[in-house]
Amino acid sequence: EAQVTQNPRYLITVTGKKLTVTCSQNMNHEYMSWYRQDPGLGLRQIYYSMNVEVTDKGDVPEGYKVSRKEKRNFPLILESPSPNQTSLYFCASSSNRVGYTFGSGTRLTVV
Amino acid sequence: AQSVTQPDIHITVSEGASLELRCNYSYGATPYLFWYVQSPGQGLQLLLKYFSGDTLVQGIKGFEAEFKRSQSSFNLRKPSVHWSDAAEYFCGINSGGSNYKLTFGKGTLLTVNP
Repeated sequence: EAQVTQNPRYLITVTGKKLTVTCSQNMNHEYMSWYRQDPGLGLRQIYYSMNVEVTDKGDVPEGYKVSRKEKRNFPLILESPSPNQTSLYFCASSSNRVGYTFGSGTRLTVV
Repeated sequence: AQSVTQPDIHITVSEGASLELRCNYSYGATPYLFWYVQSPGQGLQLLLKYFSGDTLVQGIKGFEAEFKRSQSSFNLRKPSVHWSDAAEYFCGINSGGSNYKLTFGKGTLLTVNP
């Protein structure tokens, strides 16, 4: 089944403790992206990647890092999480703009 | 820069009534347009998309959308709403260039009354 898999689904962590949210797709898509969703703000793009080793900032990149060493994986790294990064995170992938496939989401709480 | 406006934050309709969710975009040329639905606690599911050609697009679950270039709009419609349509709906735009960036509106929450 074609899908985007994120892990974990839920995560509670403390301020300053580094964490990684993984994202993997099995559709051989070139493009991958991370979004965060906050009430009243909709979905905002954090980072995106056009292909392996090609990444760029989205609209709200501060406090986040990404890497794209393999085509299928696009992890989101929070080096020093803060409470304002409490949010619902989505990974998405696409090829040829036929539509974006989203993962099921990761709900992160930073206390 | 591309942007999307969904003027209605929350809409309530009765089951069986017709539905129209509004979406306006800002972009200098014809973009690629999408509608996604997010059920409570779920991810986003693609309802339909417009790239070119016929301006009336059919999607899944009985939804359709019409692209109107003159109004920079891409409104989503359904002739008869079901209780299971209660969800949040997002309109998205992509400029169609080598940048695959998808920009979303802030969403419209749909409540369906029995």
